[in-house]
Amino acid sequence: DAGITQSPRHKVTETGTPVTLRCHQTENHRYMYWYRQDPGHGLRLIHYSYGVKDTDKGEVSDGYSVSRSKTEDFLLTLESATSSQTSVYFCAISEPPTGNTGELFFGEGSRLTVL
Amino acid sequence: GESVGLHLPTLSVQEGDNSIINCAYSNSASDYFIWYKQESGKGPQFIIDIRSNMDKRQGQRVTVLLNKTVKHLSLQIAATQPGDSAVYFCAENTSASKIIFGSGTRLSIRP
Repeated sequence: DAGITQSPRHKVTETGTPVTLRCHQTENHRYMYWYRQDPGHGLRLIHYSYGVKDTDKGEVSDGYSVSRSKTEDFLLTLESATSSQTSVYFCAISEPPTGNTGELFFGEGSRLTVL
Repeated sequence: GESVGLHLPTLSVQEGDNSIINCAYSNSASDYFIWYKQESGKGPQFIIDIRSNMDKRQGQRVTVLLNKTVKHLSLQIAATQPGDSAVYFCAENTSASKIIFGSGTRLSIRP
């Protein structure tokens, strides 16, 4: 299994509070992704990173920010959590071969509940 | 726009039969497609991929077909087994390793 650790794995918080989810990898992969998974919506891309300090928006980036200050860590922050952000969050990593796209390796997910 | 969809949300198959899961995509510029399997409580796992310069690729018991004319791909699972029960997602690389997923098909196996 790819060395991907998500923390926390479970979190319950209240509306309006800040939340940070951490994704840590030991594979030295260049690309890192944050997805959220909700019933009926599959996996939706929030943000992704293609290198240290290089990030871009995905399909559902509103209300989320990310940071990547080193290769191994990709942080997802909800500045002020809302109930609509209750979801399971998955981190994924990829190291595409030169000129190609590579497969994603996923973490085990972080379940966030916003009350 | 960038979207990947699936024809059916659920599929029930007799054990031993072949399964076919379909997926439609809308971005003509997508150059890479992947199928993932997700078991309950776990993250998605890679099954097989195909690049846009191919129309068929085979793996172990799985085959992916790509029809660029109608922007459709399918995953065929031969001799479906109970362990194949899961949700299956197709995904596409829309640009520069931006991977977008479809909503998934739940495959259940009848004994």
